[in-house]
Amino acid sequence: DVKVTQSSRYLVKRTGEKVFLECVQDMDHENMFWYRQDPGLGLRLIYFSYDVKMKEKGDIPEGYSVSREKKERFSLILESASTNQTSMYLCASSKTSGRAGFGPGTRLTVL
Amino acid sequence: SQELEQSPQSLIVQEGKNLTINCTSSKTLYGLYWYKQKYGEGLIFLMMLQKGGEEKSHEKITAKLDEKKQQSSLHITASQPSHAGIYLCGADIGSGSARQLTFGSGTQLTVLP
Repeated sequence: DVKVTQSSRYLVKRTGEKVFLECVQDMDHENMFWYRQDPGLGLRLIYFSYDVKMKEKGDIPEGYSVSREKKERFSLILESASTNQTSMYLCASSKTSGRAGFGPGTRLTVL
Repeated sequence: SQELEQSPQSLIVQEGKNLTINCTSSKTLYGLYWYKQKYGEGLIFLMMLQKGGEEKSHEKITAKLDEKKQQSSLHITASQPSHAGIYLCGADIGSGSARQLTFGSGTQLTVLP
């Protein structure tokens, strides 16, 4: 089964801080995704990657950046956290097609 | 923009009742995925549909993809409190080499005992 882990389940940061969210998968998947989830809005795609060092913008990339230096690891970076980035962040990975496996999520609060 | 429209946004049913959740796209769907999420947790894969007219079942949950591959429905028979959660449909969109997996806004299901 797909195993996707995220570095933290809960995180509290202050406005203006730089925040790193890490995601690791153990299935040698090509594709990795970062989403944020807010009530009534479902999952919105922030960034995705189909290979090492490759990244594509999703629907809401503003205020975020990503890094994929190794195939198994996909990091989401908030350069300067703001209160409107308080949300649940979910990472996923998949092969070229087919089901995606999800991590447990990181609930980020920005004060 | 939301490529996938889900309805209803929330649903409250009495235990034992049947219910249906819909997922609609303006584009042809080449892979449609249903996931379930318990509050505050990650998504659990339920089913994948790829062919027009395809129908899959697992326990009391049945998912269908219509012939035109633009709408899917998830049907739960004789609902139980364990079915409660958020149901999300997901699909591949975009035509580039990168796989872009996008989701609907979700349906919050509450089952009253």
